[in-house]
Amino acid sequence: AQSVTQLDSQVPVFEEAPVELRCNYSSSVSVYLFWYVQYPNQGLQLLLKYLSGSTLVESINGFEAEFNKSQTSFHLRKPSVHISDTAEYFCAVSHSGAGSYQLTFGKGTKLSVIP
Amino acid sequence: DSGVTQTPKHLITATGQRVTLRCSPRSGDLSVYWYQQSLDQGLQFLIQYYNGEERAKGNILERFSAQQFPDLHSELNLSSLELGDSALYFCASSGGKGREAFFGQGTRLTVV
Repeated sequence: AQSVTQLDSQVPVFEEAPVELRCNYSSSVSVYLFWYVQYPNQGLQLLLKYLSGSTLVESINGFEAEFNKSQTSFHLRKPSVHISDTAEYFCAVSHSGAGSYQLTFGKGTKLSVIP
Repeated sequence: DSGVTQTPKHLITATGQRVTLRCSPRSGDLSVYWYQQSLDQGLQFLIQYYNGEERAKGNILERFSAQQFPDLHSELNLSSLELGDSALYFCASSGGKGREAFFGQGTRLTVV
């Protein structure tokens, strides 16, 4: 069984400040890791993913996440946030060896960017 | 736009009733997943279909069922509805070599 823990339910941060959203997972098998973002009244959008290879992955809008196998973490970072980054962020894992890539989600972190 | 279409966007119904939620996956995707998002349970996997066959089952109630049709669209049927079934229901699709799932906008179900 897999589980995902997002340590912070809410993170307020000032505009142009850096932010880190923490994610830890538990799994007895190899996993794929994802961050999804949900804007108010919208669906989930894939922000970035780790499948294999380089442990540092980046998104097109300045977010990055680093897979740390020893610490079973996949923290999301951005060096300078914008108002438009205000949203809820979900960390998720799937089992890399199975035929089904169903996702196990964390509880989510609400990022509020303060002007 | 993820390419995954869900209808309807909103649904209000009474307890005891039955509803059907519809999902059209991205073109070419063979897998369809259903998830439920509620305030107390968060995002939970319900069920997956792959090319018409059930592939995996999660925390899906016996009152709920799903199917995937030959044109690959999927329907989630919810029956004997209870107040606690009020939630946002998402459909996601994936396919090819990609391991990521693409989500629709969801159907918000309100049971009164």
